[in-house]
Amino acid sequence: GQSLEQPSEVTAVEGAIVQINCTYQTSGFYGLSWYQQHDGGAPTFLSYNALDGLEETGRFSSFLSRSDSYGYLLLQELQMKDSASYFCAVRDVTPLVFGKGTRLSVIA
Amino acid sequence: DVKVTQSSRYLVKRTGEKVFLECVQDMDHENMFWYRQDPGLGLRLIYFSYDVKMKEKGDIPEGYSVSREKKERFSLILESASTNQTSMYLCASSLGGESYEQYFGPGTRLTVT
Repeated sequence: GQSLEQPSEVTAVEGAIVQINCTYQTSGFYGLSWYQQHDGGAPTFLSYNALDGLEETGRFSSFLSRSDSYGYLLLQELQMKDSASYFCAVRDVTPLVFGKGTRLSVIA
Repeated sequence: DVKVTQSSRYLVKRTGEKVFLECVQDMDHENMFWYRQDPGLGLRLIYFSYDVKMKEKGDIPEGYSVSREKKERFSLILESASTNQTSMYLCASSLGGESYEQYFGPGTRLTVT
């Protein structure tokens, strides 16, 4: 079977850095995606890692370690608008399997 | 910009009714997906399609069927709606071979009473 684990909630201060972890167990593995979803909105794609290492896109970075079945999303210079739910998703033999999501609250 | 549209934002149906949820994408994507999203459960894949007339079951297909007669349109059908199908339904599309980057519609919040 497939399983993904990520924290259910994280709170961080505006301007700070926060890391959202994701561990996975899947029968096959092609890569790890991250999505952001604001309340009442649709999920939007943030990043994808197929190989080990860090991918940077502006204030957001995503990391993957295939040997550890682990990845994380790093958000820097947090802004209030980053308050949202963040989902990791594994691409294996099925299109995408999503984690249950991490609700990030950014406080002043 | 990719645009994925869904026929309704909110829908209220009675138990036993046949329900159609429509999804249209305008970017000529090969892949289309239907998910349901429930609090604390994340997004769960119901059905997906990699091509016209093609469909594959996802993780929770029971009680649902789909239709893809045209490339841009993917319909989700609840044959006989039940209260446990009350949920947010999200449609998504992606380029062929790139299912890791999906574009989502705004969702349909379905209530079955």
